[in-house]
Parts: sequence; structure tokens; C-alpha cells
Amino acid sequence: NAGVTQTPKFQVLKTGQSMTLQCAQDMNHNSMYWYRQDPGMGLRLIYYSASEGTTDKGEVPNGYNVSRLNKREFSLRLESAAPSQTSVYFCASSDAGTNEKLFFGSGTQLSVL
Amino acid sequence: SQQGEEDPQALSIQEGENATMNCSYKTSINNLQWYRQNSGRGLVHLILIRSNEREKHSGRLRVTLDTSKKSSSLLITASRAADTASYFCATRESGGSNYKLTFGKGTLLTVNP
Repeated sequence: NAGVTQTPKFQVLKTGQSMTLQCAQDMNHNSMYWYRQDPGMGLRLIYYSASEGTTDKGEVPNGYNVSRLNKREFSLRLESAAPSQTSVYFCASSDAGTNEKLFFGSGTQLSVL
Repeated sequence: SQQGEEDPQALSIQEGENATMNCSYKTSINNLQWYRQNSGRGLVHLILIRSNEREKHSGRLRVTLDTSKKSSSLLITASRAADTASYFCATRESGGSNYKLTFGKGTLLTVNP
């Protein structure tokens, strides 16, 4: 079982460049999430998709866009990267419901120079 | 804003000892979850405790929840070197979005052989 797969694992961008982080899950989960993890800050929610066809802002959405392409895939796009977006990005998925746990991908380490 | 705050920030113990980590949160919750993160990897779900539960066990893990004090503790008994990781609590607020899980900043546990 692959679970949650993120690509790429590492990326270096120059300020102003754009890129898309890809995420796919094979567990037939309804909900998908994008988090960023910064030293001393824990994980912060960027965007989430409760179900196919819907997306909503999380705690830190500025500078990002998302697309729920289908039930399996949820992408995160940086239109014009900034050094403040240097972080480790995690995609996660869960089945619907209040008491469901999250399954995480292995992360994308992004550096913006 | 961070909901959960773990304490201590870092903990170093010898193999075989017990490790206790604490989490405090600010609002009413539906459930509280604990996750483990090994260095350079994604988070892995350990255990979920609902707001109407006071204690839960899973193998060498014991979690308690005190909703009156808005706090939880994670106890790992008979620790092993392989338990070395960061541990995060995460809360799902009651009355809030079912899809938002808010993470604390984590406790870094080091188990020395």
C-alpha cells in the first residue's frame, strides 16, 4: 500500500518562480489537507478539501492555491515563491468524520532563495 | 494560532525508562490525537482519545485526558531507542470545522541506549 504519495521530495526555487506540489492517496479517503512545518511552529494548515470538488482555507493560505483534481489527487501551487515559503510541506488524507485520524505523506522540503 | 502546546519541548531518557509528555489546549474539543514523527519523515498517528474518555491504552502507550484542565498526557512505558522521535498532540475543536486538526509544536524525545 502506497498510502499518501508526495512529489517532489526536495525542491529549490528562486524568488518569484512558481511550482506545484503533487499529492495522491490510494485509500479512497474523502478529505485531503496541506500542512507546512517550520522549526518551532509545529504544523500549520494551509488548505484542505473536505470532499471532491470542495476546497477551503486553513490557517495560513496566503501565497498558495490548491486544486482537488479528483478524489485521489490534491495539488498545492505556489504562484510566485517567496523566501518565507521555505518550509517542509506535508499532504495528508482522512476519511470523513470528526473522529478520523490523518495519514501523512513523507513531505516535500522546499527552499526558496 | 496553536491550539495544543506540548511540554516539555525536549526530553532525554535512558532505554527502559518511562517517558511522559503533556499537552495543554485552549478550547473545547471533540477529540485529541497523538502523532509521532521520526526525523525526516511524515507524521504517524498513535492514538485518539474522545472528549468523553479519560484514559486509553495502546500497547506501551497510555493517554489520559482531563477536559476540566484542558490537558492530556502521553506515557510511553519501557522506552526503546526506536521511540526516539518528535511527538505531537492535535486537537479537533468542538463546534468548529470537522476537518481542521490543530497541532502543537511537539516534544522531541531522545531515548539513549
